Amino acid sequence: EVQLVESGGGLVQPGRSLRLSCAASGFILDDYAMHWVRQTPGKGLEWVSGITWNSGTVGYADSVKGRFTISRDNTKNSLYLQMNSLRPEDTALYYCAKDMRSFGDSFNYWGQGTPVTVSS
Amino acid sequence: ETVLTQSPATLSLSPGERATLSCRASQSVDTYLAWYQHKPGQAPRLLIYEASKRATGIPARFSGSGSGTDFTLTISSLEPEDFAVYYCQQRNTWPITFGQGTRLEIK
Repeated sequence: EVQLVESGGGLVQPGRSLRLSCAASGFILDDYAMHWVRQTPGKGLEWVSGITWNSGTVGYADSVKGRFTISRDNTKNSLYLQMNSLRPEDTALYYCAKDMRSFGDSFNYWGQGTPVTVSS
Repeated sequence: ETVLTQSPATLSLSPGERATLSCRASQSVDTYLAWYQHKPGQAPRLLIYEASKRATGIPARFSGSGSGTDFTLTISSLEPEDFAVYYCQQRNTWPITFGQGTRLEIK
């Protein structure tokens, strides 16, 4: 059974950093691209970042480019999101999502999300 | 960036009725468009990928169509569990983008 479990969320002050993790199980992480998607309070889904199977290609939403860094460790079955210079508008529920393919496609499995609140 | 515009924002229908949701892209995404269902407190669920292919375990009442810039998700006969928010998503070009969502509510 595919499982994605996010962790690392919490309350943080503006300008500070946070690192999210996603532990994957039930499939071979090496074979798939992975993504972070967020849902802001009262709003819709926003793709934050994605990474191909071998980390050869990474991408970011314009809203986080230069502040967030995605990475993966296939040997640890884990996906990460380093979030720096956090802003109140980054407050959201952050989901880890598994891609259907190795290079970027639809997201066929999602975690339950980890909440991030940026506030002083 | 490819902008996806969904319509209507809210759709009020009764169980048993047919639902038609639209998604329009600001530039062609070929058929690289997916649809997701999202209920409060749950993870989003993939319904349709590549515009018209049903994901594993998705009932046949859900169907997708379209290519290029105009896409449709149809639910042929609404069940009580279908009332949720629906999002389209394109992966033709990065950044990947989602539409703003259509809320399907019980009339």
